Amino acid sequence: EADIYQTPRYLVIGTGKKITLECSQTMGHDKMYWYQQDPGMELHLIHYSYGVNSTEKGDLSSESTVSRIRTEHFPLTLESARPSHTSQYLCASSGAGRAEAFFGQGTRLTVV
Amino acid sequence: LAKTTQPISMDSYEGQEVNITCSHNNIATNDYITWYQQFPSQGPRFIIQGYKTKVTNEVASLFIPADRKSSTLSLPRVSLSDTAVYYCLVGDRKAAGNKLTFGGGTRVLVKP
Repeated sequence: EADIYQTPRYLVIGTGKKITLECSQTMGHDKMYWYQQDPGMELHLIHYSYGVNSTEKGDLSSESTVSRIRTEHFPLTLESARPSHTSQYLCASSGAGRAEAFFGQGTRLTVV
Repeated sequence: LAKTTQPISMDSYEGQEVNITCSHNNIATNDYITWYQQFPSQGPRFIIQGYKTKVTNEVASLFIPADRKSSTLSLPRVSLSDTAVYYCLVGDRKAAGNKLTFGGGTRVLVKP
């Protein structure tokens, strides 16, 4: 069982609000990722991090930002939520020497 | 990263063997082939990884021909619970070495 947690699982929020999606892992993994996925559609990598103080943009442009101040924590922030941000956001991590990445349960965000 | 091509969808029946082929013509010498499974509303889960010939675990088998330009994921005797999207990824053996980019995947529907 993977020790990677995302909160909240579901979030409905009004347009213009600032939100932070939390992602934590207790496996000591250096690499962490954020993906965005609409129902029935592809997983799009939006951010990743190689370790503390490292963040990179992924393949899909996103208005969100991320930070990596601690190894175990990789929060994603939207300064001003819009209906176009409605989607599922998935966090993942992978460790040195491991073949697989582990995914959290996801946060389903709805902006009204 | 080597580009991968998979069928968009496949239908099968309970008890049958399902084979999903992934094409990766530009695979590099050091690249490995990794498969993930994703159920609706969940994050992907690692299934299997291989470099050449055949790899088998408790869930699936992975067949890789000598030229490594394609690979086939084999799911023996599928059940309804195997209905999911299956992703083929090609890259560094260790997930931490990759950007971990997912393509469209193959949507497998297992019917009673």
